[in-house]
Amino acid sequence: DAKTTQPPSMDCAEGRAANLPCNHSTISGNEYVYWYRQIHSQGPQYIIHGLKNNETNEMASLIITEDRKSSTLILPHATLRDTAVYYCIVRVAGGKLIFGQGTELSVKP
Amino acid sequence: GAGVSQSPRYKVAKRGQDVALRCDPISGHVSLFWYQQALGQGPEFLTYFQNEAQLDKSGLPSDRFFAERPEGSVSTLKIQRTQQEDSAVYLCASSLVGRSSYNSPLHFGNGTRLTVT
Repeated sequence: DAKTTQPPSMDCAEGRAANLPCNHSTISGNEYVYWYRQIHSQGPQYIIHGLKNNETNEMASLIITEDRKSSTLILPHATLRDTAVYYCIVRVAGGKLIFGQGTELSVKP
Repeated sequence: GAGVSQSPRYKVAKRGQDVALRCDPISGHVSLFWYQQALGQGPEFLTYFQNEAQLDKSGLPSDRFFAERPEGSVSTLKIQRTQQEDSAVYLCASSLVGRSSYNSPLHFGNGTRLTVT
């Protein structure tokens, strides 16, 4: 079973920041939070991951709350090509990723 | 660099036929995962290899599903006597290190879309 909760869909205006929330209230101390996205007909694409500190890379920023029970993925300047399903995943013991339903992000002009 | 490669990209099988799906992971990657994705759903875990050892096959839906990775690189997922409910996209992913490290991302291929008629 997925250990995360995400809104099923969100809209964002092109050029604005997209903030995608995720709840993972049962996360354990050594479990990482991963974010992937999936564009139609492609495999999931890795975006970013973190344990407890905020992380930033060329694609996005990840903000994890101090109690680690929730996180937010930030796409700073969303483009139409960022339209996709975004998955927030807690990586469980054994190393596998357990996907939930994700958030369908629509970036609109 | 080269990513995870899967072949064929599309496969149509008649019910009852056997199929074999191939995955070429990123060179040097220790871990290899197979996932099944039904239409409109998130990917579901099938099985995991660390090098040539199959350490987790808890997600395989039936004994008609079999996976191997004999030399610790290329992997094949075989489905015997295919059924209509096997229709899905089959995704392969690889990761640089073994499963004890949660700090190494999985990199996915674009999958094989299997349609059973």
